[in-house]
Amino acid sequence: KQEVTQIPAALSVPEGENLVLNCSFTDSAIYNLQWFRQDPGKGLTSLLLIQSSQREQTSGRLNASLDKSSGRSTLYIAASQPGDSATYLCAVSPGGGAQKLVFGQGTRLTINP
Amino acid sequence: DAGVIQSPRHEVTEMGQEVTLRCKPISGHDYLFWYRQTMMRGLELLIYFNNNVPIDDSGMPEDRFSAKMPNASFSTLKIQPSEPRDSAVYFCASSRVPRYEQYFGPGTRLTVT
Repeated sequence: KQEVTQIPAALSVPEGENLVLNCSFTDSAIYNLQWFRQDPGKGLTSLLLIQSSQREQTSGRLNASLDKSSGRSTLYIAASQPGDSATYLCAVSPGGGAQKLVFGQGTRLTINP
Repeated sequence: DAGVIQSPRHEVTEMGQEVTLRCKPISGHDYLFWYRQTMMRGLELLIYFNNNVPIDDSGMPEDRFSAKMPNASFSTLKIQPSEPRDSAVYFCASSRVPRYEQYFGPGTRLTVT
């Protein structure tokens, strides 16, 4: 059974810092990996999707990497801003079925001005 | 596109009452997912459809829960009878081949008293 872990559960950093959020999964046979952002009381916003054949994806100040063999992904946020404060969720689509997503518990990020 | 639309946004009901949650997926998407989010259990997949056909309902907690997708632009999740432990935020999401990137609706916050 695929399990997804995100460490740390919470992170607080000063504005302007570069930071890395971690995601690990137990079964390397995945179809894709997706990073989401969730603001309090809101739905999930898709940030980046990495297909299993890819090593990384970039969007603006965000860069996500994928290492299937080690079962790890990282989300790099450059030059953090207070507006980046949110919960970041990692989810994997298990191999054999590209449809289902298994989610981690998320990292709650606070950027202090 | 308007994105995934869910209604109602908030629902407060008494134990034993029937609750119906509604979802309109993004036009052209052929997969639809229902999730439940709680503090204790995080995000859980309840059921998903492909081309209006239920594919996997293994996450549906019990027979009190049922879901339908009568056409490509509408789905319902029904709870009958509702119980206080059903209180949660229910999300609908949709995706399409070949990327299977999931897009979430704003959610319905259900409170059962």
